[in-house]
Amino acid sequence: GQQLNQSPQSMFIQEGEDVSMNCTSSSIFNTWLWYKQDPGEGPVLLIALYKAGELTSNGRLTAQFGITRKDSFLNISASIPSDVGIYFCAGRFGYGQNFVFGPGTRLSVLP
Amino acid sequence: EADIYQTPRYLVIGTGKKITLECSQTMGHDKMYWYQQDPGMELHLIHYSYGVNSTEKGDLSSESTVSRIRTEHFPLTLESARPSHTSQYLCASSEGPRLGQFNSPLHFGNGTRLTVT
Repeated sequence: GQQLNQSPQSMFIQEGEDVSMNCTSSSIFNTWLWYKQDPGEGPVLLIALYKAGELTSNGRLTAQFGITRKDSFLNISASIPSDVGIYFCAGRFGYGQNFVFGPGTRLSVLP
Repeated sequence: EADIYQTPRYLVIGTGKKITLECSQTMGHDKMYWYQQDPGMELHLIHYSYGVNSTEKGDLSSESTVSRIRTEHFPLTLESARPSHTSQYLCASSEGPRLGQFNSPLHFGNGTRLTVT
């Protein structure tokens, strides 16, 4: 089946630093989603991307749909303690197909 | 803001019990999903539905069953719970699959944390 890889698996950063993480696939996707999950909660949608090369921002978050359609990047600027959590990417390779989720990037923000 | 609700939030039961996890959404979404997730791990699709009277098995084999009698309601049932069923169960919904809605993102509930002793 389709698989997504996320890197890094985990990261520890200082408050105020910028964060960058990515998601890669062996297949071409037509949609990329980025979610954040806090402990004991459900994932919350951060950004949705629908077109190759698309760059979309949501506050301090910026995500890009890779031009090859096989990857996506999420950047967080000026991190704050509430950015702590697990960030999941999800992709879909065909219209009407179900989304595939990556294994997540665990972000810790040190004060 | 997505309006999708799961009950109970936490459930501890003994082996062999029958349980039903509830999921309801008020957005009129056609597609609904159940994911299983061990703490901090990736999500695995176990069931989904395209609409009323439609149910399909997901990528991960599961001993649970689902039903979709009403658009807003997608309950998941375990006939005989076992310790291996201990996990978090996440319900999600999305628009579609009508024309123009194929790319609608998933909106998740807060999950049910199930522990089978």
